[in-house]
Amino acid sequence: TQLLEQSPQFLSIQEGENLTVYCNSSSVFSSLQWYRQEPGEGPVLLVTVVTGGEVKKLKRLTFQFGDARKDSSLHITAAQPGDTGLYLCAGAGYGQNFVFGPGTRLSVLP
Amino acid sequence: EPEVTQTPSHQVTQMGQEVILRCVPISNHLYFYWYRQILGQKVEFLVSFYNNEISEKSEIFDDQFSVERPDGSNFTLKIRSTKLEDSAMYFCASRAGKGRLEQYFGPGTRLTVT
Repeated sequence: TQLLEQSPQFLSIQEGENLTVYCNSSSVFSSLQWYRQEPGEGPVLLVTVVTGGEVKKLKRLTFQFGDARKDSSLHITAAQPGDTGLYLCAGAGYGQNFVFGPGTRLSVLP
Repeated sequence: EPEVTQTPSHQVTQMGQEVILRCVPISNHLYFYWYRQILGQKVEFLVSFYNNEISEKSEIFDDQFSVERPDGSNFTLKIRSTKLEDSAMYFCASRAGKGRLEQYFGPGTRLTVT
């Protein structure tokens, strides 16, 4: 069974600070996706990473896929209150199944 | 921008009753999924559907669950005899096709079993 762990579970920071959240597994994934979820809503896709070592940037967000395709990180530069939310990673095996991590709940205080 | 839609947004049912949750995936997408999220817990994969048949299902997706694509647009999840522990948010997602990995989620249906 493929499992994804995320850390930290909760993170509360001040506006303007930088942060990194992590997604780890002992399994290899063919691709990995990051989502943001607001309370009572569905996850919204932020990025998909496919190649080991791949780095993708989305404005102030930087996503990295580990060389071995077992882990990933999300770095946010100069966090803003609008970044507040639940950040989820989801790994795709070699079938159709996507496994989600438990999420990191980020709170950015003004 | 195309989006996945789900109805109803909230369904309350009594234990033992059948419920049907409906989804309209993004037009021309080929892969469809159901996930559930129990309050405060992680999103769990239930089933994937491609080419009018189930392509993969999880241990959660037992005989009380079924999926159907009754026409060219709707994708449904049926729970035959609901239990209290079926209370959760149910999300539908769709994906364009092979080589396109991005999943797009609907807003979810909150199922409450009393």
